[in-house]
Amino acid sequence: GAVVSQHPSWVICKSGTSVKIECRSLDFQATTMFWYRQFPKQSLMLMATSNEGSKATYEQGVEKDKFLINHASLTLSTLTVTSAHPEDSSFYICSARNRDYGYTFGSGTRLTVV
Amino acid sequence: RKEVEQDPGPFNVPEGATVAFNCTYSNSASQSFFWYRQDCRKEPKLLMSVYSSGNEDGRFTAQLNRASQYISLLIRDSKLSDSATYLCVVNLGGGDKLIFGTGTRLQVFP
Repeated sequence: GAVVSQHPSWVICKSGTSVKIECRSLDFQATTMFWYRQFPKQSLMLMATSNEGSKATYEQGVEKDKFLINHASLTLSTLTVTSAHPEDSSFYICSARNRDYGYTFGSGTRLTVV
Repeated sequence: RKEVEQDPGPFNVPEGATVAFNCTYSNSASQSFFWYRQDCRKEPKLLMSVYSSGNEDGRFTAQLNRASQYISLLIRDSKLSDSATYLCVVNLGGGDKLIFGTGTRLQVFP
């Protein structure tokens, strides 16, 4: 079946630093990648949608200059949290969409900013 | 109003019990409907799609009422391993984003 490898699975960083999260589709091409964020006891909230080779579309309230998304190839998408602050601490999950496999989720990245 | 609403629970039930979860969605243009399961600190996993005619997968039965914009999930003969958060998810179709409900927490006890 389709697998999306997401790294790192957890990261602790200092306030003001940047963190990059990678999602790779291992045996299929992800035409669209969705990036979600989940705070404790809340549901997954979509942050942005990216299609290979084009700029990401951000949801209302999500700062595009803070959450940089790159989807340069059909198998790799990255989310960079720039100048991270404690309020950015959350669970970040990617979801790749493919016509044959539907939606496949990465295993998530738990970010803690101290 | 939230796009997808669920009772957050928790639902605490004994093994072997039957439990039902409900969900309502606000956008009448929604095309696809799903139930996902999420274990603590893990990614959500697809439990089953929900079809207009209703569908069953082993101990799990899902129903959709488009007129009322209402989705349900019934779990029969609950197992300890069913303990998780169940997410109601809708989609406008055409490869669009998935919209998640807040989830209903289920705890099955011995």
